[in-house]
Amino acid sequence: AQSVTQLDSHVSVSEGTPVLLRCNYSSSYSPSLFWYVQHPNKGLQLLLKYTSAATLVKGINGFEAEFKKSETSFHLTKPSAHMSDAAEYFCVVRSGGSYIPTFGRGTSLIVHP
Amino acid sequence: KAGVTQTPRYLIKTRGQQVTLSCSPISGHRSVSWYQQTPGQGLQFLFEYFSETQRNKGNFPGRFSGRQFSNSRSEMNVSTLELGDSALYLCASSLEPPGQGVYEQYFGPGTRLTVT
Repeated sequence: AQSVTQLDSHVSVSEGTPVLLRCNYSSSYSPSLFWYVQHPNKGLQLLLKYTSAATLVKGINGFEAEFKKSETSFHLTKPSAHMSDAAEYFCVVRSGGSYIPTFGRGTSLIVHP
Repeated sequence: KAGVTQTPRYLIKTRGQQVTLSCSPISGHRSVSWYQQTPGQGLQFLFEYFSETQRNKGNFPGRFSGRQFSNSRSEMNVSTLELGDSALYLCASSLEPPGQGVYEQYFGPGTRLTVT
């Protein structure tokens, strides 16, 4: 069994300040973890992925995430928010033989000027 | 390289009707997955195909079905539409089979289905 919890439904930051979007997961197997971004009326775009290689994963647009097995977390960070980062972010876990994905409920990132 | 395309982009149907949505994956990709996105349930996995075979299926009623053709294009069908089927239906393609490698998925823009 697997699950994923995005701890905040909304995160509000000012442009130029750091971003932290939190994600906890549970899995009976070694998981693969993903972060996707969805802009309004668009499909999902992959930001970054963890697949049991380096625990600190760098993605596109300055985002990165750290896999912490002891805390079962995979939080997404960015040092400095940009207005264009305003979007919905999804944490996804895949594991086990079937590899069926489980999506978090999403975190809406709001960036103020 | 062209991205994942979905047709139509918007669709309005009446309860009881059926609908077919189409997805063309990125050239060379042989895995295609379908997802339903609603405000209430979020993103949910429908099914997944690789080389014309359904590899995985989510927890949806039998009214939801799909298929994949030899050119990797995929269709999903919903019969006897209900109001609750109103959603954004997303298709994603991947180079690798499900469960192998990184399995990086590329999503299309979705089909917005409204059932009245």
